[in-house]
Amino acid sequence: GQQLNQSPQSMFIQEGEDVSMNCTSSSIFNTWLWYKQDPGEGPVLLIALYKAGELTSNGRLTAQFGITRKDSFLNISASIPSDVGIYFCAGRYSGAGSYQLTFGKGTKLSVIP
Amino acid sequence: DADVTQTPRNRITKTGKRIMLECSQTKGHDRMYWYRQDPGLGLRLIYYSFDVKDINKGEISDGYSVSRQAQAKFSLSLESAIPNQTALYFCATSDPASGANVLTFGAGSRLTVL
Repeated sequence: GQQLNQSPQSMFIQEGEDVSMNCTSSSIFNTWLWYKQDPGEGPVLLIALYKAGELTSNGRLTAQFGITRKDSFLNISASIPSDVGIYFCAGRYSGAGSYQLTFGKGTKLSVIP
Repeated sequence: DADVTQTPRNRITKTGKRIMLECSQTKGHDRMYWYRQDPGLGLRLIYYSFDVKDINKGEISDGYSVSRQAQAKFSLSLESAIPNQTALYFCATSDPASGANVLTFGAGSRLTVL
């Protein structure tokens, strides 16, 4: 199956700092999604990207669909304690069986007050 | 009420027992999925269904079975549970009419097999 490399695996940051994480794939994707999972809950969609080069914001979150269509980035500005959780990227690739999503392994974010 | 409801939320069982995890949704979506989450491994697809009676294997279907008897319900069964099936299980739905595979997840069912 398709592989997604998500990095970093975990991050410890001070409250107020900015955060960056990214996902790369070996295949061309035509959709990138970013989800956040709070402890004890299911993942919730943060941002959806549908076009190469697209830059979309949701409050303090900004995500970009890479020009090569093989990567995506998520940035969080001025982190706050409630940003704690696991962030997952997910992509739908352009080949056969392309209705399925492939998920990255997640970035676990910890925010130190 | 949640759009996607999973029961039970937590279950502890013994090796060899049959277990069923249930999922119901009020979103009216045709597509439903079961994922498994293990620490450091992300979400892996077990089975998915695009309509009633439609069943498709995902990445890790061995040891699992599913049933889709109604649009709103999709159940996951472990016929004979084993310890390495200890994990967090998520049900999800999607609406193909939305133009993209945007999944809505339930809150999860944590299964421990002793």
